[in-house]
Amino acid sequence: QVQLVQSGTEVKKPGASVKVSCKASGYTFTNYDINWVRQATGQGLEWMGWMNPDSGNTYYEQKFQGRVTMTRNTSISTAYMELSSLRSEDTAVYYCARGPTTLSWHDSWGQGTLVTVSS
Amino acid sequence: DIQMTQSPSSLSASVGDRVTITCRASQGIDNYLAWYQQKPGKVPKLLIYAASTLQSGVPSRFSGGGSGTDFTLTISSLQPEDVATYYCQKYNYDPRPFGQGTKVEIK
Repeated sequence: QVQLVQSGTEVKKPGASVKVSCKASGYTFTNYDINWVRQATGQGLEWMGWMNPDSGNTYYEQKFQGRVTMTRNTSISTAYMELSSLRSEDTAVYYCARGPTTLSWHDSWGQGTLVTVSS
Repeated sequence: DIQMTQSPSSLSASVGDRVTITCRASQGIDNYLAWYQQKPGKVPKLLIYAASTLQSGVPSRFSGGGSGTDFTLTISSLQPEDVATYYCQKYNYDPRPFGQGTKVEIK
């Protein structure tokens, strides 16, 4: 079955960077986009952007442009989301989610990675 | 950019009630709309895509409708396990924002 398994909890200081991984299994990794969505505690879902694991093409929501980088390692079916210049407002659970087609919904989600930014 | 607005922000209904949540896009998006359910402390789950297509395994009491700018998610007979926050998302082109969510509780 389709599984997306994310890396564990991170605690970072303001100004630092964090890199979250998302390992895919149960399907052909390069055939489906990986999207990233975050959720601050008690808040709604915030879409961050996507990466095509085959081409490496990306799209970043304007709010995150310049601070986010989405990459992949196809040999281990893993996608990465790196967010730099962290501030307290970036404290959230970060999810990876599969997109079954280009410009589509998200049909499978990772378990989430809590990133806490605190001095 | 297109904004997605859900109403109400929260609702309380009795078991067995018919519940309808509305999602409005600031511009037309044809039927490029998905609905997700997020139970407390859990990962979001896809319920509906293409405005009205039920994802495999989702109970038939859930249904979606609408096109253009106005969409609905209906639970025909509310069950205790439906307590959750529901989100819409548009995906006709990037970016793909979510609505702010509708929290559904049991009265």
